[in-house]
Amino acid sequence: QKEVEQNSGPLSVPEGAIASLNCTYSDRGSQSFFWYRQYSGKSPELIMFIYSNGDKEDGRFTAQLNKASQYVSLLIRDSQPSDSATYLCAVNKGSGAGSYQLTFGKGTKLSVIP
Amino acid sequence: SQTIHQWPATLVQPVGSPLSLECTVEGTSNPNLYWYRQAAGRGLQLLFYSVGIGQISSEVPQNLSASRPQDRQFILSSKKLLLSDSGFYLCASNKGVADTQYFGPGTRLTVL
Repeated sequence: QKEVEQNSGPLSVPEGAIASLNCTYSDRGSQSFFWYRQYSGKSPELIMFIYSNGDKEDGRFTAQLNKASQYVSLLIRDSQPSDSATYLCAVNKGSGAGSYQLTFGKGTKLSVIP
Repeated sequence: SQTIHQWPATLVQPVGSPLSLECTVEGTSNPNLYWYRQAAGRGLQLLFYSVGIGQISSEVPQNLSASRPQDRQFILSSKKLLLSDSGFYLCASNKGVADTQYFGPGTRLTVL
């Protein structure tokens, strides 16, 4: 079982719609969860992080975490063409062996159609 | 806020040649530093991390090595490059163990 799984996409949504990106992880002891955006040919940039169960909102972005289901998602409201990128989910154990390591999913490619 | 510099931005090297990639961090002290590789069609793979000068942990055994000669300098090296070393090399930094990692602009390496 892969440690962090994401649908590779592409996920296509019309401009103005809500884009929903999903991620599951295998290590039940994971503590910290991150969403990065990566434009083609560029390095990843942080969108949001979340540590606690529930929702966390920042502008048009909402991260949702459900530790019982080992599931984290990112919602992008009012999607814009500039949101077209690959979105990477990353998970950190937070303590113990491997605590320095961020484990990344392979990313979901989002395309926002004007 | 911290700024991460990487150079060179792009590099084309023949198989069997040596490699040296450099990462420097501004705006913070005693950061944790990381080297990742992103190969085509694959996810980000952690190669090395360092919690201090001279302290290097390797995550993936291979023909690459890392060094940290100064607090805010992290170097990735190889004595002989392989075709499979091609990829996008990213340096990242954070302060605490589980803190957000921030990435530099990356070096795109092509081994021919």
